[in-house]
Amino acid sequence: DGGITQSPKYLFRKEGQNVTLSCEQNLNHDAMYWYRQDPGQGLRLIYYSQIVNDFQKGDIAEGYSVSREKKESFPLTVTSAQKNPTAFYLCASSIYRGTGANVLTFGAGSRLTVL
Amino acid sequence: SQKIEQNSEALNIQEGKTATLTCNYTNYSPAYLQWYRQDPGRGPVFLLLIRENEKEKRKERLKVTFDTTLKQSLFHITASQPADSATYLCALDKTAGANNLFFGTGTRLTVIP
Repeated sequence: DGGITQSPKYLFRKEGQNVTLSCEQNLNHDAMYWYRQDPGQGLRLIYYSQIVNDFQKGDIAEGYSVSREKKESFPLTVTSAQKNPTAFYLCASSIYRGTGANVLTFGAGSRLTVL
Repeated sequence: SQKIEQNSEALNIQEGKTATLTCNYTNYSPAYLQWYRQDPGRGPVFLLLIRENEKEKRKERLKVTFDTTLKQSLFHITASQPADSATYLCALDKTAGANNLFFGTGTRLTVIP
């Protein structure tokens, strides 16, 4: 089955630790995204990548880092600089290439809790 | 900045009735408006989209309308079922770059048997 796999589903982190969330897709999509979802707020874009070895900051990139070494993979690191990291993180991908609608396929999400 | 409002945080309806969810936006008009369904603890799933030059789009029991004058989209679920209970998100699609989707906060629909 084609899709997006996020891991882990649940993650607990102590303050001051960096954690990395995994995102893998086998849809052959060019574009990949990371969103953060908090109660009562819309999805907020953290980082996105349209091509391997290239990525751009979204609206709330501070305290996060990403890499795109392979087309299939787009891991997100939540660093200790992120002041309020407890949230539900969603990875998505799309075939978007600059024109037409940008329909996203999402993973199941990773819930990060800072202890 | 772009602002998207979905009519209410929660909507309860009786099974068999039509559920109507509202998405209002300010500032520029999007080229597309998309609707997603999200179940608790899961990622959103794309349902359908409507183009700015379309008035209405249908898919099975779902219907979406788009009024660029009112800056509003309505999402209808006819003959609602308890399995339709979920949070529904609207998203504005500018298509002017990959950073082009703006999501609303969602409306949590509960269909009561």
